[in-house]
Amino acid sequence: AQKVTQAQTEISVVEKEDVTLDCVYETRDTTYYLFWYKQPPSGELVFLIRRNSFDEQNEISGRYSWNFQKSTSSFNFTITASQVVDSAVYFCALSEEYGNKLVFGAGTILRVKS
Amino acid sequence: SAVISQKPSRDICQRGTSLTIQCQVDSQVTMMFWYRQQPGQSLTLIATANQGSEATYESGFVIDKFPISRPNLTFSTLTVSNMSPEDSSIYLCSVDTRAAEAFFGQGTRLTVV
Repeated sequence: AQKVTQAQTEISVVEKEDVTLDCVYETRDTTYYLFWYKQPPSGELVFLIRRNSFDEQNEISGRYSWNFQKSTSSFNFTITASQVVDSAVYFCALSEEYGNKLVFGAGTILRVKS
Repeated sequence: SAVISQKPSRDICQRGTSLTIQCQVDSQVTMMFWYRQQPGQSLTLIATANQGSEATYESGFVIDKFPISRPNLTFSTLTVSNMSPEDSSIYLCSVDTRAAEAFFGQGTRLTVV
């Protein structure tokens, strides 16, 4: 069975601090897909990244970076120089089949204070 | 990127009534998914809707409570039947374009009083 664990329920940081959100997953499949979504207070889900299991390259997009480590089944998300606008709930998710349903982690509430 | 329009965006309903949520996609998609997000919780899949076949429900969700229609490749509805306050949640429609991401509608925020 597939499972996603986001052990950090809530994180508070001061603006300009770096912050890492942890995601650990479980799956029996060798091919799978990992996602990160942002949910601001308005409620919509904003797609941030998808990573395939066969692509272990880390990725950087502006202030965002992702560290994918298959050896530890982790897909962590780092925000560099955090801003107040980064305050949201962040979800990590897993799909075992291309184009199919997602299993979500519990989410991490990130609060960035000015 | 697919554009998903979901409506209503929010509603307040009386217990015992039903609400139908619509999800329209601007391109044809094979699978559409309906998720529920209870207050302060994560997203849980309700069912997968394929065009031309019965929806596939996840454990804990039944067709009588959450009937789903999928009349074509760009549209689906989810009905929340005989509502109780416990049904107060955000309901989200999702599709997968087989390209990259799983896209979500803006959600329907339902409050049952």
